[in-house]
Amino acid sequence: QSALTQPRSVSGSPGQSVTISCTGTSSDVGGYNYVSWYQQHPGKAPKLMIYDVSKRPSGVPDRFSGSKSGNTASLTISGLQAEDEADYYCCSYAGSYTLYVFGTGTKVTVL
Amino acid sequence: EVQLVESGGGLVQPGGSLRLSCAASGFTVSSNYMSWVRQAPGKGLEWVSVIYSGGSTYYADSVKGRFTISRDNSKNTLYLQMNSLRAEDTAVYYCARGEYDSSGYSTYYFDYWGQGTLVTVSS
Repeated sequence: QSALTQPRSVSGSPGQSVTISCTGTSSDVGGYNYVSWYQQHPGKAPKLMIYDVSKRPSGVPDRFSGSKSGNTASLTISGLQAEDEADYYCCSYAGSYTLYVFGTGTKVTVL
Repeated sequence: EVQLVESGGGLVQPGGSLRLSCAASGFTVSSNYMSWVRQAPGKGLEWVSVIYSGGSTYYADSVKGRFTISRDNSKNTLYLQMNSLRAEDTAVYYCARGEYDSSGYSTYYFDYWGQGTLVTVSS
């Protein structure tokens, strides 16, 4: 099972919006509405930001939103803030044999 | 408060073994499903293994036959026994929690993560 494909990096100025794509196949992203997104600051553990494609855990700002179309999921950060600078990983359920597959990761830079 | 604390990492020679532990507090390990996820230095996240509340276990192809996930309900602790270690197993290993929904069905995300423990396989 190959990793899901994400852009290596995206950047934006404070207050702007950025969108991170996560491309898989019909066996993972396209086959299930079970895409989650994780934020990871350097040297820290990943933090759940979005689950089930578009749901936000309590405590996660509503600036973070998720969506999916076909085999591609997306994470949008609106009103970019300095503390949003981090690595972001998508993850999809991929069926009862492979279970879970993560994305390649995207570094978000706040200019 | 939910907490996960990993331990047991270190330097091991190729072909050697290591057992990682993940001590949980604030919830019951056996009532959730638990996973190990690893991250090689400077690389992305890779799912390794999962144990469900009923005891079923699953593994990534890269570790199948070499790693064993287990738990001790009396200690509320998750384990990962790693045998026949290879250089490519060098990574920070995180334990992560998954929940069941109100109907008892598994969810498909990890809501809490430990801080990780570093495993280095080198001669």
